Amino acid sequence: AQKITQTQPGMFVQEKEAVTLDCTYDTSDPSYGLFWYKQPSSGEMIFLIYQGSYDQQNATEGRYSLNFQKARKSANLVISASQLGDSAMYFCAMRVPNAGGTSYGKLTFGQGTILTVHP
Amino acid sequence: SAVISQKPSRDICQRGTSLTIQCQVDSQVTMMFWYRQQPGQSLTLIATANQGSEATYESGFVIDKFPISRPNLTFSTLTVSNMSPEDSSIYLCSVEDALHNEQFFGPGTRLTVL
Repeated sequence: AQKITQTQPGMFVQEKEAVTLDCTYDTSDPSYGLFWYKQPSSGEMIFLIYQGSYDQQNATEGRYSLNFQKARKSANLVISASQLGDSAMYFCAMRVPNAGGTSYGKLTFGQGTILTVHP
Repeated sequence: SAVISQKPSRDICQRGTSLTIQCQVDSQVTMMFWYRQQPGQSLTLIATANQGSEATYESGFVIDKFPISRPNLTFSTLTVSNMSPEDSSIYLCSVEDALHNEQFFGPGTRLTVL
């Protein structure tokens, strides 16, 4: 069974500073994908970044980067130069292939971290 | 990236009634997924919807309570049947872009059951 753990219920950061949101995962499958989503108060789920288990480099997307430490089974999200609009709930999620070896989009989510950016 | 729309965006319903949520994608996709997010909770997969076959339900979810239709490759519906206040949640549909290793969600349907 797959499990995602986000140990930080809430985080605070000053505007323009960087913040790291923690995520650890557990799976016995060697092939998996890790996702981060942002959920503002409107409820929509905004895709931020993806890291594959075989990717050699850490994923980056603009101000978002993923600190992927495979041996430690962690996939922390780093947001640089925080903005007030970054205040939201952030979810880490994992996807593993099904028995047929192709990924069918079933995501297992962590409990989320509420990020608050102070001016 | 896929553009997903959902209807309705929100609704307030009475106990014992049913609500059908629509999900429309701007491109053809093999599978569509329905998730539920209860208040203050994370997302949980309800079922996977394939075109031309019955949906596959996750443990704890049954077809009688959450019937799903998938008439073509761009559209799906989820019905929440015989609603109770415990069904008050955000319901989201999702599609996978395997080529780009992305997975997208619709804007969600915020359901309140009185």
